[in-house]
Amino acid sequence: GENVEQHPSTLSVQEGDSAVIKCTYSDSASNYFPWYKQELGKGPQLIIDIRSNVGEKKDQRIAVTLNKTAKHFSLHITETQPEDSAVYFCAASLPYGGSQGNLIFGKGTKLSVKP
Amino acid sequence: DGGITQSPKYLFRKEGQNVTLSCEQNLNHDAMYWYRQDPGQGLRLIYYSQIVNDFQKGDIAEGYSVSREKKESFPLTVTSAQKNPTAFYLCASSIQADQPQHFGDGTRLSIL
Repeated sequence: GENVEQHPSTLSVQEGDSAVIKCTYSDSASNYFPWYKQELGKGPQLIIDIRSNVGEKKDQRIAVTLNKTAKHFSLHITETQPEDSAVYFCAASLPYGGSQGNLIFGKGTKLSVKP
Repeated sequence: DGGITQSPKYLFRKEGQNVTLSCEQNLNHDAMYWYRQDPGQGLRLIYYSQIVNDFQKGDIAEGYSVSREKKESFPLTVTSAQKNPTAFYLCASSIQADQPQHFGDGTRLSIL
């Protein structure tokens, strides 16, 4: 079945620097890759997503890139701010049958942005 | 405001007791999901429902049960058969399967 690996598990950056989180997936037929931000005690919030027919997507300071050949996708946050500090999760969708659309999640990256 | 409401925020279970976690959405979404989150872990799927009156087991369904009698409601029961129920439980919904999922703010279940 699908497996999603996420790295690094923790990331500390200075305010204003960029942060990059990487995920790899195992099933080449997966076609949808969302990223979620989770703050302490809250549910995950969808921040950006990409489908397999697109190589890159940007939304202000956040971007996601997808390399289908290598089966990996990355989250890029530029000009980081202290409020970006949170746990970030990547996910990949199951592409087949009755479980189509179900998500397999990575184990998360705890991002700390130091003022 | 449209959204997903989970209640209660905190729940305590005694040994041998069943407890039910509530999940309600007013987004008119067809699909709903229950996940379990343990410290330092990703989210693991317990049950999902792509349409009212139908639901399927996820990866870790043992010791849990659900119902989907109404489109807007998808309650999760943690039964006494679940020997390690302490976790953060998250409910999500999407317009339909294979569309973006949106989450509630979770219920934290602990053992007394």
